[in-house]
Parts: sequence; structure tokens; C-alpha cells
Amino acid sequence: DAGVIQSPRHEVTEMGQEVTLRCKPISGHDYLFWYRQTMMRGLELLIYFNNNVPIDDSGMPEDRFSAKMPNASFSTLKIQPSEPRDSAVYFCASSLGGSAQPQHFGDGTRLSIL
Amino acid sequence: GENVEQHPSTLSVQEGDSAVIKCTYSDSASNYFPWYKQELGKGPQLIIDIRSNVGEKKDQRIAVTLNKTAKHFSLHITETQPEDSAVYFCAATKAAGNKLTFGGGTRVLVKP
Repeated sequence: DAGVIQSPRHEVTEMGQEVTLRCKPISGHDYLFWYRQTMMRGLELLIYFNNNVPIDDSGMPEDRFSAKMPNASFSTLKIQPSEPRDSAVYFCASSLGGSAQPQHFGDGTRLSIL
Repeated sequence: GENVEQHPSTLSVQEGDSAVIKCTYSDSASNYFPWYKQELGKGPQLIIDIRSNVGEKKDQRIAVTLNKTAKHFSLHITETQPEDSAVYFCAATKAAGNKLTFGGGTRVLVKP
């Protein structure tokens, strides 16, 4: 079975550019989560969706970050404009049933902002 | 909100020995405690989880124990093998919320 699929795997771009990260959750899962991983702050939840609806975006660091889920099989995380401090690994995860259920992670997008 | 502390941050063991990682949590309402293993260049993978109505759970060489009174839980890996080398994360959440709070991670190195 296909797991969570993220693209691109690596992204290198210059400061000020728009960055779009993509995620395809596991089919049938009703929750989707976006995380950011850095050495300094570890794994942080940015935002999560239930049935395509954003439920909690309190972890989104700034207005430069936005996330959408237009349908059950696709989500995007956008950074505009990007800054060097946004450099991190961004993970998407999905689960069936929400909290207290196993979350399945993709292999992440390693983002470098120069 | 929930706060999860994880120790140690690094752990080096000889192949065949046991490894133990400990986590404490702050929110007494938390009732689901998963453990994830992250290999280089990969996303975290769930290896075992425990719910608050259970004190211990085993899956082959891996076991997790939970002490709700003390608000701590531990991962035990027996007969370690080189492929157990990875970063391990504990996490905690409660059913009423959907935020999984992670510990800071433990880098485990199994020396052959």
C-alpha cells in the first residue's frame, strides 16, 4: 500500500521566493498533519485538517505560511515570501480517526532557503 | 499545553545489550503514548504505542511501560541489533485534542 507521499523531497531556493510543498495522504485517512523538524525545536505541529477542514493552525509561525487541503487526497503548505530561518524538514502525516490513533509520516521535504 | 521531556539525548550500546529511553509528560489528561523511530532521511515510523488503561505492552524485542501516577513512560529494546540504530521519539496526546507533542528525541547507536 502507498504511504504518505510528499514532494519535492528537496527544495533549494533563494530568500523571498515562494515555496510550495505537497502532500498526498493515505487513502481513506481523515486527518492530515503538517510538521516542521529542526535541530533547535525538534518536531513541531504546524497545522492539521479533519475531512479537509483546517482545525488548528496555532502552530503556523507567521502569516507567510499558509496551508490548504482542496480535497481528501491532496494538501499544500506554502511559504511566501520565504526566509533563511524557514530552512527545515517539513513532514506531512495522516491518520484515521484523529488523536490517539497512529499517525503515518511521509519522508519529508528538506527545504533550504539561501 | 502538554510538555514531554525525553532522556537521554544520546545512547550508545553494545550489540545484544538492552536500551532504555525514558519520557515524562506534564498533562495528566494525556492518554495515548506512541513511540516513533526515525532513520536518516526518512520520516518517523510508529514502532509501538500504549494507552492509559494499560501499564505495559510488548512487541517482540520492544516493550513500553507506563506509570500514570508518576507521569512517565519508557521504551525498552532488548537484544539490540545494528539496525536498531536511529533516533527515537516519544510523544503524548489526549483524546480530546489532536496535537501530538513530541519529546526531543534520543539518538541510539548500536555498536557491533
